[in-house]
Amino acid sequence: GESVGLHLPTLSVQEGDNSIINCAYSNSASDYFIWYKQESGKGPQFIIDIRSNMDKRQGQRVTVLLNKTVKHLSLQIAATQPGDSAVYFCAENHLMDSNYQLIWGAGTKLIIKP
Amino acid sequence: ETGVTQTPRHLVMGMTNKKSLKCEQHLGHNAMYWYKQSAKKPLELMFVYNFKEQTENNSVPSRFSPECPNSSHLFLHLHTLQPEDSALYLCASSQENIFFSYYLYEQYFGPGTRLTVT
Repeated sequence: GESVGLHLPTLSVQEGDNSIINCAYSNSASDYFIWYKQESGKGPQFIIDIRSNMDKRQGQRVTVLLNKTVKHLSLQIAATQPGDSAVYFCAENHLMDSNYQLIWGAGTKLIIKP
Repeated sequence: ETGVTQTPRHLVMGMTNKKSLKCEQHLGHNAMYWYKQSAKKPLELMFVYNFKEQTENNSVPSRFSPECPNSSHLFLHLHTLQPEDSALYLCASSQENIFFSYYLYEQYFGPGTRLTVT
């Protein structure tokens, strides 16, 4: 079946460096992509989204890049801080059997080294 | 309170017990969701309520029974669960446009209920 996958289950980054979390998706018809952050003991929290008619979108310290040619999505976090430690999920939204489905990846754990 | 709240935060139950999870959203949203989160697995959508009507049931076993009495409250009734049902159960809400299918807008999640079935 369709799935969203992440290249690395765990990513360790030095505090202050930039982080790049990658995500591959398989459905070329997906038209909406979201990144969520889940801190320990909390539910997922929306970070940023991007629609398929865009290839880049910037937020506060975060940038999402979408490469539809290779079906790849990435989340870039600038100047990583200890508070960025969390599991990051990408999710894709596409039409399946006349209904939209939101397909979630398994998550990447971001570890910040002091 | 603000956002999405869930009670209880932790629950331990035997396989013959009956319990209920509660979710309340204070955001004025019109869609609510139940998810199951197991270790090292993607989030699994269980149920969707849109404008208080159940619009999706992702082949969830009948031992899980949702209830949505109004657009602010969502329950998940549990009965005769199995140990493999142990997981974090997350509730979410979103404001969906009735002219479009759901999932087009960000979902707001509660903190979850950590369920352990013994």
